[in-house]
Amino acid sequence: DTAVSQTPKYLVTQMGNDKSIKCEQNLGHDTMYWYKQDSKKFLKIMFSYNNKELIINETVPNRFSPKSPDKAHLNLHINSLELGDSAVYFCASSRLGSDEQFFGPGTRLTVL
Amino acid sequence: AQKITQTQPGMFVQEKEAVTLDCTYDTSDPSYGLFWYKQPSSGEMIFLIYQGSYDQQNATEGRYSLNFQKARKSANLVISASQLGDSAMYFCAMRDGFSSGSARQLTFGSGTQLTVLP
Repeated sequence: DTAVSQTPKYLVTQMGNDKSIKCEQNLGHDTMYWYKQDSKKFLKIMFSYNNKELIINETVPNRFSPKSPDKAHLNLHINSLELGDSAVYFCASSRLGSDEQFFGPGTRLTVL
Repeated sequence: AQKITQTQPGMFVQEKEAVTLDCTYDTSDPSYGLFWYKQPSSGEMIFLIYQGSYDQQNATEGRYSLNFQKARKSANLVISASQLGDSAMYFCAMRDGFSSGSARQLTFGSGTQLTVLP
């Protein structure tokens, strides 16, 4: 039944490690997104991706990279994790041309 | 550049009363969409209501209505008959028509923490 799912829900790791967060949607949507919510609850777009284009927010470090093995998945890879990467990361999806985005439950990343 | 402003970091309302959460936006694009999301303490993002820039009438969804004043560039959320379960963080967001290409990225405001008092 879950529309947009993310794994893991919690991720605790050491500085300098490389980690991935997985996102899957079973809604048949064409476009997927990654958002970052910082400790002050501020939500900011990181990436949006459909089968034609990847749009990267210019403030996102190149240590972050989205990878889409197929239309239903958009995973987030993070290299050389830093303390400032600690946040909640949300995946979302939408139908091409539609405004409504469906969010996943979020992944709380803690970098020690 | 687009911008979303929510000037109320926190709001309190008595149960069963109505409350208005403010949101103003800034965009030069004629085509845009405005959204409200609810984030309870459990952390998930719940879509509440949507208003398109060309919609003639204010959007309504159950107890939620969006007071859209285009000339003032405001899109306030009105919650009628507040319930204890309405206590949450509320985010206003906007999608503009051009800068996000075919993907409709959302820009969020800083949020308003609503507390409903019994």
